[in-house]
Amino acid sequence: DAGVIQSPRHEVTEMGQEVTLRCKPISGHNSLFWYRQTMMRGLELLIYFNNNVPIDDSGMPEDRFSAKMPNASFSTLKIQPSEPRDSAVYFCASSLTRTGTNEKLFFGSGTQLSVL
Amino acid sequence: GQQVMQIPQYQHVQEGEDFTTYCNSSTTLSNIQWYKQRPGGHPVFLIQLVKSGEVKKQKRLTFQFGEAKKNSSLHITATQTTDVGTYFCAPSGSARQLTFGSGTQLTVLP
Repeated sequence: DAGVIQSPRHEVTEMGQEVTLRCKPISGHNSLFWYRQTMMRGLELLIYFNNNVPIDDSGMPEDRFSAKMPNASFSTLKIQPSEPRDSAVYFCASSLTRTGTNEKLFFGSGTQLSVL
Repeated sequence: GQQVMQIPQYQHVQEGEDFTTYCNSSTTLSNIQWYKQRPGGHPVFLIQLVKSGEVKKQKRLTFQFGEAKKNSSLHITATQTTDVGTYFCAPSGSARQLTFGSGTQLTVLP
């Protein structure tokens, strides 16, 4: 199994540009999570999908952020327009969630985003 | 998500010394997971605790869930340089989402 695959690994962009981060979850997993990690705020949950449906997006910072999951094998996190304070490592994670239980998360290697 | 406080934030130990990190909640938790993140890496699942008073061991690592299910701890016996990293607790609530504690960054001095 290839694990959770994220791309790109590193992204450097200028303020105001659109940024799209991509994630391929582990095959068969039905839950997908986007996290953001910074020194100041730690590991923050941005949004959570279950069976491709967004369940909770209360962690999404503002309207500049959007996430989609068009099918079970692909998700995107888009920032438009990007700002320097968006600089962080963005992790995607997937799990197999069964009724009444929380299964372990498998994380991708993350995308290091730098907005200049 | 459920909020937890994780202490200490940083811990430096000499190789061979023991290490403990604590995760405390003001509310009762359904269950709790622990993850380890190596420097420059991503979080990796270690264990999940579900039952009140549960104790689980993985080699030199001992995980405990409090009787009231409001706190948890991770204890490492005789630390090694390979134990370096940040240890996170992640309580999971009824919403089936995982929010992470602030983590304890462990440095092991050779």
